[in-house]
Amino acid sequence: GDSVTQMEGPVTLSEEAFLTINCTYTATGYPSLFWYVQYPGEGLQLLLKATKADDKGSNKGFEATYRKETTSFHLEKGSVQVSDSAVYFCALRLASAGNNRKLIWGLGTSLAVNP
Amino acid sequence: NAGVTQTPKFRVLKTGQSMTLLCAQDMNHEYMYWYRQDPGMGLRLIHYSVGEGTTAKGEVPDGYNVSRLKKQNFLLGLESAAPSQTSVYFCASSYKRQGDEQYFGPGTRLTVT
Repeated sequence: GDSVTQMEGPVTLSEEAFLTINCTYTATGYPSLFWYVQYPGEGLQLLLKATKADDKGSNKGFEATYRKETTSFHLEKGSVQVSDSAVYFCALRLASAGNNRKLIWGLGTSLAVNP
Repeated sequence: NAGVTQTPKFRVLKTGQSMTLLCAQDMNHEYMYWYRQDPGMGLRLIHYSVGEGTTAKGEVPDGYNVSRLKKQNFLLGLESAAPSQTSVYFCASSYKRQGDEQYFGPGTRLTVT
């Protein structure tokens, strides 16, 4: 069935380190792909998205490229800050008309950035 | 715009009590969702609605009921709370276009003792 797999956390980095959080998916057709971020004590908010193959989503220094050939949407940032400490969720939205636009979620990856 | 709001923010219930969580959105979104978030489980969809007057079951609907009498509101009810329903509950809404994001409320932390 359709699914999203994220690398397990927690991930602990020092400030200014390079970040990669892996996300791979299984889905039929051409889903839309999303990264959401959840800061401590808050709800989720969209970080970036891509709606077709080879699209690159970017926001706040984070980037992810929709790779159809590897069914991946890995999240990257060149230099993390303490304020990036949060839980990051990868999600997909199926393209077929019958799915009612539900999101399929990964389990989340916790990131802690130390000064 | 307030976006998506949820009330209450916190609640403690005893086993067997009932309560209703209210979600409201002011973005004229067609779709609304209720999720629960538990450690190590990610987000799980409880119920959702694709329009006023319609509701459907998600992954974990047992023990919950919902209603969408007005487009802007989506209510989640627990008729007889159980400790297994201790969780953080999030409401979300979205437009119906395929690439559109879901907007989340701040969450309700519910403890059932």
